[in-house]
Amino acid sequence: GESVGLHLPTLSVQEGDNSIINCAYSNSASDYFIWYKQESGKGPQFIIDIRSNMDKRQGQRVTVLLNKTVKHLSLQIAATQPGDSAVYFCAENGALGGGFKTIFGAGTRLFVKA
Amino acid sequence: EAQVTQNPRYLITVTGKKLTVTCSQNMNHEYMSWYRQDPGLGLRQIYYSMNVEVTDKGDVPEGYKVSRKEKRNFPLILESPSPNQTSLYFCASSSSSSSYNEQFFGPGTRLTVL
Repeated sequence: GESVGLHLPTLSVQEGDNSIINCAYSNSASDYFIWYKQESGKGPQFIIDIRSNMDKRQGQRVTVLLNKTVKHLSLQIAATQPGDSAVYFCAENGALGGGFKTIFGAGTRLFVKA
Repeated sequence: EAQVTQNPRYLITVTGKKLTVTCSQNMNHEYMSWYRQDPGLGLRQIYYSMNVEVTDKGDVPEGYKVSRKEKRNFPLILESPSPNQTSLYFCASSSSSSSYNEQFFGPGTRLTVL
C-alpha cells in the first residue's frame, strides 16, 4: 500500500483503551475543523467535524474538542479497536473569496496493540 | 457508488515530459481540490476549484496547472515535471464551496519523476 510518511508522531495504545490525538491549528480565522483517518493505500476519510462556534462534538466512539484560545484540537477515540490503526489528520477550513482553503496538520499514526 | 476516481494510480516519468492526472467525481459536487502528500508534511493544497471555470491557487501551486471545464472533472497538469514533484497526489471534492463541508478523497496517484 501507499506509505503516508516515515516521520510521523506515533501513538501506541492497547486495544480497549481510549486514545487521544492532539493537533495545533494555525489560522485563528478558520471556522470549521475536521478529523480525517487515512489507512494504508487509501485517501483520507472523514471521521468527525466541529464548527468554530462549538467546543465539543460527539460521534459514535469519537469526540472532538476545540479550544480556540490556544488553537488546539483533539480527537478522542473510545474503546480503541485494531481497525482504528491508521494515520489521523486534523484539517482546518477557512473561508476565502467565496470558497475555502484547507490546511492539514502533519498527522499522527495510531497503532493499536491487540 | 459515490466516489472520486483518479488515473493513473501509479506513474513513473522523466523530467520535462508533460503529464496529466485525471480526477472525476460522480456526486455533482461543486468544489474540487488537489493535494500532494509528502513524508512529515501532511497534505498540502495545490489548487482548488469552487465551480466550473473557477480555479484558485492553494499553498503549493508552482509547477502545476488545473482546469475545470466540466463539473465532474478536475485534471492536474504538470507541464514540465521535475524530481521535486515526486509525491503522492490526492484529488478531493466537496458538495459546496461553503467552508462547512468535509471533503471526499480519491485513492491517490503515486508519481515518481526521474
